[in-house]
Amino acid sequence: AQSVTQLGSHVSVSEGALVLLRCNYSSSVPPYLFWYVQYPNQGLQLLLKYTSAATLVKGINGFEAEFKKSETSFHLTKPSAHMSDAAEYFCAVSVDSSYKLIFGSGTRLLVRP
Amino acid sequence: SQTIHQWPATLVQPVGSPLSLECTVEGTSNPNLYWYRQAAGRGLQLLFYSVGIGQISSEVPQNLSASRPQDRQFILSSKKLLLSDSGFYLCAWSVAGTGTDTQYFGPGTRLTVL
Repeated sequence: AQSVTQLGSHVSVSEGALVLLRCNYSSSVPPYLFWYVQYPNQGLQLLLKYTSAATLVKGINGFEAEFKKSETSFHLTKPSAHMSDAAEYFCAVSVDSSYKLIFGSGTRLLVRP
Repeated sequence: SQTIHQWPATLVQPVGSPLSLECTVEGTSNPNLYWYRQAAGRGLQLLFYSVGIGQISSEVPQNLSASRPQDRQFILSSKKLLLSDSGFYLCAWSVAGTGTDTQYFGPGTRLTVL
């Protein structure tokens, strides 16, 4: 069965520092993987999606993620954090032969001035 | 382009009262539709999903129900609200087909049960 683990419920970085949010997945078939961002009191917005076309996926707002099959990871990175990046980030994996996504528990990113 | 609407945006209801939350999608046909709940400090919990009119799958047994009276309309209901029903309710849609498609989320409804 598919599952997603996000390491660290809270991550704090200084403005301008590297952002690294970790996501590990478990899937018996090649997965589709997603990163979403949620700003306070808003819905989720798609950041990027991995569909097996390329292992390095570039998304919106300068974020990117790299699919590493050997490590079963799909970590999200951004070279330089901005105050506007403060939000909660969710990793998700598709569940094959169904209509569902399995979401991680989320990581809240705090950006210090 | 496709858009998804949810209303109301916020709702405060007493325990034992009924509930009706509505979600509509524009700009697409026969979408897959989903209801999620976020309780305080917790992740997303899938409540219901639908792959067509009148077709509802329930993920979590509880006092909530869902209906899809029209192709692009998804309704979440309860006959009697509980305190534990408080949370942020999100509707989402995806292109008809498999679950590998991206889900697009609405703005959410903040429900407080007192």
